[in-house]
Amino acid sequence: DIQLTQSPSFVSASVGDSVTINCRASQAISNWIAWYQQKPGKAPKLLIYATSSLQNGVPSRFRGGRSGTEFTLTISSLQPEDFATYYCQQANSLSHTFGPGTKVDIK
Amino acid sequence: DVHLVQSGVEVRKPGESLKISCKTSGYPFSSYWIGWVRQMPGKGLEWMGIIYPGDSNSKYSPSFQGQVTFSVDKSINTAYMEWGSLKASDTAMYYCARQMGGTGWENFDYWGQGTLVTV
Repeated sequence: DIQLTQSPSFVSASVGDSVTINCRASQAISNWIAWYQQKPGKAPKLLIYATSSLQNGVPSRFRGGRSGTEFTLTISSLQPEDFATYYCQQANSLSHTFGPGTKVDIK
Repeated sequence: DVHLVQSGVEVRKPGESLKISCKTSGYPFSSYWIGWVRQMPGKGLEWMGIIYPGDSNSKYSPSFQGQVTFSVDKSINTAYMEWGSLKASDTAMYYCARQMGGTGWENFDYWGQGTLVTV
């Protein structure tokens, strides 16, 4: 199985800040990395799929990228509604594993 | 519009069986893989596996192989996940979700609201 690690596990930020979350795969993968946002008591919501494609209706301040086996989610100009937990997920191996999550909290 | 609506809260005793459902609408049910995701209390998301309603082909995570069984009823556009003998460690929220393409190698674009199972 491909394992995903996320860093940081927790980030404290203010409204208007830019935040970058990293997701590293344990082996080379192609492009089916997604990023999901989850708020307490709610189902996850797809933000980015196939590494850098923005899901319909998601604000453009969310951007996905990649450098080798490291994938990134950048949220520019954090808004109050962006404080949540973010998960990456890969769909490149038989098990489509999730990362452990990164909680973005209000400073 | 695409919708996935899951069955309600379940409370069971260890050793009991359980089948939860995920009713879909707004798209051709047989053409998109449906996945199941576990979230234990206060923990992260775990991919359990996927099923293709067109032919009921299923792929299970090694962690869940033999622990649950996926099925579908194409006549009512509904996917199911079933336990034969529940354990206390099965207590969790379970989500169904649709994969965004038909190959089985894509991410989840639409999610159900979750079914809370307490054992």
